[in-house]
Amino acid sequence: AQSVTQLGSHVSVSEGALVLLRCNYSSSVPPYLFWYVQYPNQGLQLLLKYTSAATLVKGINGFEAEFKKSETSFHLTKPSAHMSDAAEYFCAVIKAAGNKLTFGGGTRVLVKP
Amino acid sequence: NAGVMQNPRHLVRRRGQEARLRCSPMKGHSHVYWYRQLPEEGLKFMVYLQKENIIDESGMPKERFSAEFPKEGPSILRIQQVVRGDSAAYFCASSPLEGVAAEQYFGPGTRLTVT
Repeated sequence: AQSVTQLGSHVSVSEGALVLLRCNYSSSVPPYLFWYVQYPNQGLQLLLKYTSAATLVKGINGFEAEFKKSETSFHLTKPSAHMSDAAEYFCAVIKAAGNKLTFGGGTRVLVKP
Repeated sequence: NAGVMQNPRHLVRRRGQEARLRCSPMKGHSHVYWYRQLPEEGLKFMVYLQKENIIDESGMPKERFSAEFPKEGPSILRIQQVVRGDSAAYFCASSPLEGVAAEQYFGPGTRLTVT
């Protein structure tokens, strides 16, 4: 069975500091990977996705993620945190022949001024 | 182009009542997905529908839950005889295509509270 693990349910960063959110997947075949952001009381918005093209994927709002097959990881980074980045972030995977997203447990980001 | 619309945004039901959650996909999208977010848990897939067809319902509870996506009108997620454990946020997503290349666009969710 396919699964996604996000290390750290809560992350606190200072404004202007690096944001690093970790995601590891388990899959017998290269999956398709996504990062979504959820602001309070809202739906999910796609930040970026990896679909077997370039391993470094750039998304919206200055976020990017790198697919590392050897580490089965797809960590999300942003060089400089902004107060507006405070939200919950979900890593998700979809298998090649499927349609349903399998989500990690989510990481809530707090940005300190 | 309006996004995915869900209504109601908030729904309160007493135990034993029925809950009906509606999802209008984005214009031109014929694929609808329902996900549930239980308190302190991640999002879990429930069901995938195309117009008039249930494609994958592997995440649906065996009893009391049903979903449809008729030829005309919104997709409906129906929960009969609700219990407190059904309290959650229910999200609908839609996509224009089948397959992994198709981004799923999420609605704002319906927050169901069972009292």
